[in-house]
Amino acid sequence: ETGVTQSPTHLIKTRGQQVTLRCSSQSGHNTVSWYQQALGQGPQFIFQYYREEENGRGNFPPRFSGLQFPNYSSELNVNALELDDSALYLCASSLKRQETQYFGPGTRLLVL
Amino acid sequence: GESVGLHLPTLSVQEGDNSIINCAYSNSASDYFIWYKQESGKGPQFIIDIRSNMDKRQGQRVTVLLNKTVKHLSLQIAATQPGDSAVYFCAENNNQGGKLIFGQGTELSVKP
Repeated sequence: ETGVTQSPTHLIKTRGQQVTLRCSSQSGHNTVSWYQQALGQGPQFIFQYYREEENGRGNFPPRFSGLQFPNYSSELNVNALELDDSALYLCASSLKRQETQYFGPGTRLLVL
Repeated sequence: GESVGLHLPTLSVQEGDNSIINCAYSNSASDYFIWYKQESGKGPQFIIDIRSNMDKRQGQRVTVLLNKTVKHLSLQIAATQPGDSAVYFCAENNNQGGKLIFGQGTELSVKP
C-alpha cells in the first residue's frame, strides 16, 4: 500500500509568482485535504476535495485554489504569492470525508 | 472562537518514564479527536484517535483519554523511548466539511 506522496519537496519562489503543489492520495482514499503549517504552529486547514468537488474551506483567500482529479490526486495552486505564504504545505488523504486523515511529507515553500 | 490548545509547549522526560500530553478543546460539537506525532522535517503521523462516544482508547504503548465534561483530551505514552521525541498535536473534527482543527503542539524530549 502506497502512502500519501507530495511533490516537489522544496520550492523557492519570489513574491507575485504562482505555484502549483501536487499530492497523490493513499491507495483507496477518495478525499484529499490541504493544510498550511507555519514554523512552530499547528497545521491550518485550507480546503478539502471529495469526488473532485470542494467539500469545505478554511479561512484562506481565493488566490488559494485547488483541483482533484478522477484518480483522486490533487493540486494546490497559489497565485500572487506573498512572503507570508512561506510555510510547509501538507496534503492528507482519507477513506471518506469524516474519516482519519493521513498526511504526506509536505512541500516546503519559501517566498522571497 | 474555535480552538484546540495545549497546556504545555514543551515536555522533557527520562527514558522509560511515562509521558502525559494534555489538550483542551473549545467546540462541544466536535465528535472526533486525533493525536498526531510530527518529527522534524516530516508530515504529521497518525498515532491514535477517539470518538466522542468513548472516554478511553488504548493502542500500543499509547492511551487517549477524553473528558467531554471539561473538554479535555490527553495522550499517555508508556515507557517513553528516545524515538518518541517529536512534536505532538491534538486535532478535532467538528463536522465542518472535514476540517481538522489543530493545536499549537507540544514538543516531547526524551532524555536517555
